[in-house]
Amino acid sequence: DVKVTQSSRYLVKRTGEKVFLECVQDMDHENMFWYRQDPGLGLRLIYFSYDVKMKEKGDIPEGYSVSREKKERFSLILESASTNQTSMYLCASSGGRGSYEQYFGPGTRLTVT
Amino acid sequence: GNSVTQMEGPVTLSEEAFLTINCTYTATGYPSLFWYVQYPGEGLQLLLKATKADDKGSNKGFEATYRKETTSFHLEKGSVQVSDSAVYFCALSSSGGSYIPTFGRGTSLIVHP
Repeated sequence: DVKVTQSSRYLVKRTGEKVFLECVQDMDHENMFWYRQDPGLGLRLIYFSYDVKMKEKGDIPEGYSVSREKKERFSLILESASTNQTSMYLCASSGGRGSYEQYFGPGTRLTVT
Repeated sequence: GNSVTQMEGPVTLSEEAFLTINCTYTATGYPSLFWYVQYPGEGLQLLLKATKADDKGSNKGFEATYRKETTSFHLEKGSVQVSDSAVYFCALSSSGGSYIPTFGRGTSLIVHP
């Protein structure tokens, strides 16, 4: 079974802190994704990566950056956390082209105070 | 562009009732269609999928049929259980080359004993 793990289930940070959310997948998937999930807004794509060191902006990249130094690891960085970034963050991965289903991690619930 | 529309929730049912959650889509090309389920406090997990017209996906008693003529992929279950209480997401991935899925907003299902 594919396994996607995220570094924390719950995280509390202060406004202005730099925050790192880590995601690791164990199925050698090319594609990895970061979403945020908010009530009434569904899933919104922040960034995705289709290869090591490659990244593309999603629908809401402002205030975020990402890093993919190794194929199995995709990190989301909040350079200076703000209260409007309080949310559930979900990481996902998928295989090569032609394999479109996504595998999700358990999520990180981030609270910025 | 691609879009997915699901019925708004919450859907509230008694145990053993019949479930339908409607999903319609617009897409270019020949998309693959998915239903994901999110149990409380967890990430999304793939429930079922269909990759071409008239295919029926099924899993855990849930079914959905890919209807190209009505651009629909409605989720059904003959007899729901309390443990089916979750949020259900309809999604598509276009075979036109993009591996980035488009998700619906999600439909919350609450099943009472």
